[in-house]
Amino acid sequence: RKEVEQDPGPFNVPEGATVAFNCTYSNSASQSFFWYRQDCRKEPKLLMSVYSSGNEDGRFTAQLNRASQYISLLIRDSKLSDSATYLCVVNEISNFGNEKLTFGTGTRLTIIP
Amino acid sequence: GAGVSQSPSNKVTEKGKDVELRCDPISGHTALYWYRQRLGQGLEFLIYFQGNSAPDKSGLPSDRFSAERTGESVSTLTIQRTQQEDSAVYLCASSPRPLDEQYFGPGTRLTVT
Repeated sequence: RKEVEQDPGPFNVPEGATVAFNCTYSNSASQSFFWYRQDCRKEPKLLMSVYSSGNEDGRFTAQLNRASQYISLLIRDSKLSDSATYLCVVNEISNFGNEKLTFGTGTRLTIIP
Repeated sequence: GAGVSQSPSNKVTEKGKDVELRCDPISGHTALYWYRQRLGQGLEFLIYFQGNSAPDKSGLPSDRFSAERTGESVSTLTIQRTQQEDSAVYLCASSPRPLDEQYFGPGTRLTVT
C-alpha cells in the first residue's frame, strides 16, 4: 500500500458546483497534514494546513478523520481559477527512521464554464 | 523575503553528459528536499536533508544521482552520464523544520537529447 493515496481524477466539475476529494494515509501516527495546489507547469504551493478539528478558509474546508486515516478537501462554489492539481501531504517515517513529508500523486480538477 | 531559488531554470544536455543543479533554500530553513516530476506525473521524492543528520537518499533512482548540502545552505544535485529518461523538472523545497510546510523553488527543467 502506498503511504499516501489519492484518486488521480480527472474531476470535471461545472462552475459553481461543490467538489470534494479524499486522501488516505497509511501511518496511523502521522501528525502533519497539508493540501497543496499545483498549477500546470508551476511549482506546488501550500493551499492550507489540515488541523485535527477541521478548518475552513473561504470556500475551502479541510477535514481530518484519524479513525479512517484520511483527509478531505471540500471546495464550494467552484470557480474556473480552481482548476489545478491538488496534492495531499502527510508526514511519514522515512527508511532512515526520521519523519518527513510525503506527497500524494495529486488529484486533477478542471472547472467547466 | 527571498524564496527558494533554483538554477539553471532550463538545461538542455546531451545524453552521457553530467549536469549539476543548484538550490538556494530560504535562509534558516533546516530541511531541504529534492523531487523529480516527469511531464504529467506526480512528485517523485529523491533526497531529504535535515540539519546535520545523514541525508535520506532512499529516493535516488540510481547511483548516477547524488546530492550534497553544506550545513543549512546551498544544495546541489548532480546527475552523471545523463539518460533521456532523466528528462524532467527537478524541484527543490525547503522548510523551517522537518514537518512544517514546504516552500518550493520554480524548478529546473532538464532535457536530455
